Amino acid sequence: SAVISQKPSRDICQRGTSLTIQCQVDSQVTMMFWYRQQPGQSLTLIATANQGSEATYESGFVIDKFPISRPNLTFSTLTVSNMSPEDSSIYLCSVDYPQSTDTQYFGPGTRLTVL
Amino acid sequence: SQQGEEDPQALSIQEGENATMNCSYKTSINNLQWYRQNSGRGLVHLILIRSNEREKHSGRLRVTLDTSKKSSSLLITASRAADTASYFCATGKAAGNKLTFGGGTRVLVKP
Repeated sequence: SAVISQKPSRDICQRGTSLTIQCQVDSQVTMMFWYRQQPGQSLTLIATANQGSEATYESGFVIDKFPISRPNLTFSTLTVSNMSPEDSSIYLCSVDYPQSTDTQYFGPGTRLTVL
Repeated sequence: SQQGEEDPQALSIQEGENATMNCSYKTSINNLQWYRQNSGRGLVHLILIRSNEREKHSGRLRVTLDTSKKSSSLLITASRAADTASYFCATGKAAGNKLTFGGGTRVLVKP
């Protein structure tokens, strides 16, 4: 399986500020995914990030709020902008690895609390 | 919106007993994956079953898939206290394989 790391592992932020979450994979992957897990809830896909193209956002998520970068095949960032307490969640990145096997592995997550 | 529903939402069993949880989904799928999550941490991949498969085993885990009923089940045999976690099913379609998650089942295994 792929080894996926995320930084930071957790953070407490003030409303109105922004936080950038990093996701690093130990292998090259074409597609990376960003999910949100609100407290006590299941996971919801925010966007799909392909290297070399704009991220594709799911319904209810917009680029201005969750800008994503994908500068290479092993790294991606998700920014949570202009945060409010409703953004308090665990944010997880995932990858299909090995590619074309459909098996999707997840990073350890970033636990965000917005005050 | 979530693709699937899981039941039960919560399950409490004694160590050594079997735990069964079910997942239903709404549209056609390419694959279905089961994950475990301990105390709000990252997800651990348990098993993937494809739409042309009916049953898979991995250690103490047994997964079935019935595409005619759009449902899957996860059986954990001879449960251990360390199996205490939330279990999620997630469905993937052919294009891009972005996953849609069910609501999860919280399993408590009492020693």
